Amino acid sequence: KQEVTQIPAALSVPEGENLVLNCSFTDSAIYNLQWFRQDPGKGLTSLLLIQSSQREQTSGRLNASLDKSSGRSTLYIAASQPGDSATYLCAVNVSWGSRLTFGEGTQLTVNP
Amino acid sequence: GAVVSQHPSWVICKSGTSVKIECRSLDFQATTMFWYRQFPKQSLMLMATSNEGSKATYEQGVEKDKFLINHASLTLSTLTVTSAHPEDSSFYICSARRDSTNYGYTFGSGTRLTVV
Repeated sequence: KQEVTQIPAALSVPEGENLVLNCSFTDSAIYNLQWFRQDPGKGLTSLLLIQSSQREQTSGRLNASLDKSSGRSTLYIAASQPGDSATYLCAVNVSWGSRLTFGEGTQLTVNP
Repeated sequence: GAVVSQHPSWVICKSGTSVKIECRSLDFQATTMFWYRQFPKQSLMLMATSNEGSKATYEQGVEKDKFLINHASLTLSTLTVTSAHPEDSSFYICSARRDSTNYGYTFGSGTRLTVV
């Protein structure tokens, strides 16, 4: 059974700091990995999608890496801003269109 | 592109009544949609997988007679919470997968259900 773990559970940083969120999964046979952001009381916003054949994806200040063999992904946020404060979730699936398995999330607070 | 609209965003209902939540893919077709439930400070729990034109597949422990799912078209899935009770109060989120291998999953904005 696939299990996804995110570390740390919570993180508080001053504005402007670069930071890394970690995601690990137990079964390396994934199809793709997706990082999401969730604001309180809201749905999920997709940030980055990494196919299993890819090593990383970038969007603006965000960079996500994937090491499938070791079952790890990181989300790097550069020059953090208070508006980045949210819960960040990673999720994997094992085949096209199959269910997502989510981690518990990292709650990020960026202090002005 | 890839927008999923979920309605209503919040609803309060009396115990014993039924509530319907709609999930629409606005700019793409979605053969498959997913329904999740989220408790405070917790991650998403998959309730069921909704397939257009066929019966939904429910996760273990989810009562299919209580949580009725209908996926009658390629752009609309509905979740009806029947005979709602206070313990059904939760945040419900839908997700749709665009019918292409190059896209991930898009989520709705969620529905806060409160049963009083």
